[in-house]
Amino acid sequence: SQQGEEDPQALSIQEGENATMNCSYKTSINNLQWYRQNSGRGLVHLILIRSNEREKHSGRLRVTLDTSKKSSSLLITASRAADTASYFCATGSDYKLSFGAGTTVTVRA
Amino acid sequence: NAGVTQTPKFQVLKTGQSMTLQCAQDMNHEYMSWYRQDPGMGLRLIHYSVGAGITDQGEVPNGYNVSRSTTEDFPLRLLSAAPSQTSVYFCASRPVGLFGDEQYFGPGTRLTVT
Repeated sequence: SQQGEEDPQALSIQEGENATMNCSYKTSINNLQWYRQNSGRGLVHLILIRSNEREKHSGRLRVTLDTSKKSSSLLITASRAADTASYFCATGSDYKLSFGAGTTVTVRA
Repeated sequence: NAGVTQTPKFQVLKTGQSMTLQCAQDMNHEYMSWYRQDPGMGLRLIHYSVGAGITDQGEVPNGYNVSRSTTEDFPLRLLSAAPSQTSVYFCASRPVGLFGDEQYFGPGTRLTVT
C-alpha cells in the first residue's frame, strides 16, 4: 500500500515560475525524502528531511514538513525546462521505502 | 563509479517464460532492493536484501525470486512470466549507517509480457 500521496497529480507552469507540490502520509515517520524521475530514467534523490526538522533548503528546492498534519511540501523556485519530471515523496526506513504516485511537472518555455 | 547498473534495458517475454533481471552496484552498499513501477502508481517494493546471503520479501513478492551471493549483485528472477508482471523494474542500493538514507537507483528495465 502507498504511504505517501502527492498532490496535485499534474502541474504545468511557465519557465521562471515556482512549482509547489504536496505529500501527505499516513503513519509516523523518521524522515521523508523527495525524488525526481525524468522520463524513461531512474529516480534521483533530491532531499531528505528528518522528523525533527521543519524546513530544509537545497539550491532552488525548499522542503517543509508538518508532522502534526502528516504532510510535506516541495517548492521549486525559478523553474527551468530541465525541471520537467515526475516528483515522488517517499517514507520508510533503511531499505524499505514507500512511494506515492507522484506529481508530474511540466515547465513550458 | 558506474553506480547501479541494470540489464537488459528492454525485454519482451511470452507468458510462462522465465528470465533474470540483472542488477549490480560498485559502491559496496549493503542494502539492495527491487521495485516495480506501474503507470499512475508509485514504486512498490518486491524484495530486498540487507547483505550477502540475506533477503526478504517486500510488498509484492509473488512470482519473483531473489538471491544475494555477493555484495555487488542482486538478480531478480521471474519464474513464470504473466501479463500482470508487465512493468518497469528498478534496482536500488544504499549504504548502511545513520546518514545513509538516500537510495541510489538504476536506470530501470522495461519488461513486457505478452
